Amino acid sequence: SQKIEQNSEALNIQEGKTATLTCNYTNYSPAYLQWYRQDPGRGPVFLLLIRENEKEKRKERLKVTFDTTLKQSLFHITASQPADSATYLCALTEGGKLIFGQGTELSVKP
Amino acid sequence: DVKVTQSSRYLVKRTGEKVFLECVQDMDHENMFWYRQDPGLGLRLIYFSYDVKMKEKGDIPEGYSVSREKKERFSLILESASTNQTSMYLCASSLFRQGAREQYFGPGTRLTVT
Repeated sequence: SQKIEQNSEALNIQEGKTATLTCNYTNYSPAYLQWYRQDPGRGPVFLLLIRENEKEKRKERLKVTFDTTLKQSLFHITASQPADSATYLCALTEGGKLIFGQGTELSVKP
Repeated sequence: DVKVTQSSRYLVKRTGEKVFLECVQDMDHENMFWYRQDPGLGLRLIYFSYDVKMKEKGDIPEGYSVSREKKERFSLILESASTNQTSMYLCASSLFRQGAREQYFGPGTRLTVT
């Protein structure tokens, strides 16, 4: 069956370190993979999109990699700050729809 | 910036009531979506629309219907609310049809059905 998996356990890191979040998928062949940020009680906010023919994408302190052979995306936040604390969702495109992972909660401690 | 607004942040309804959730976007996007989000189940697509008066079923359409009379407005209707429809409802819009890219979400409506 088709599945998207993100680290179910919360990730706790120290301010200034790099946070790395993982998104694995099975039985999909997405043309795009996206990352969203969601704060408690709010709607997700689009962060980055990476295409299947791209290996890496950067935006300020954010970096996303996409390995279609491993069926995995990694999401990095460098020089993390307490304001980066949120839940991060990966989403992939399938049949004109977005399929979301359940998200990983990131907590950055000062 | 794209702005997606939803009619209510919190709503409490009784079992059997008809419930209307409204969503408006101001960026002339053709594509609009309704999701529900539940702990442990993530975001699940209920219905979506690629154009005025067009609608497509998502993954969990049972118990719901939608209406899209104007491009900027997409309504979700619970014909007869039930307690298992207690959830966070999120509306989204997107400029891109192919590939469902870059969706912009509203703030959500937390619906409680008692």
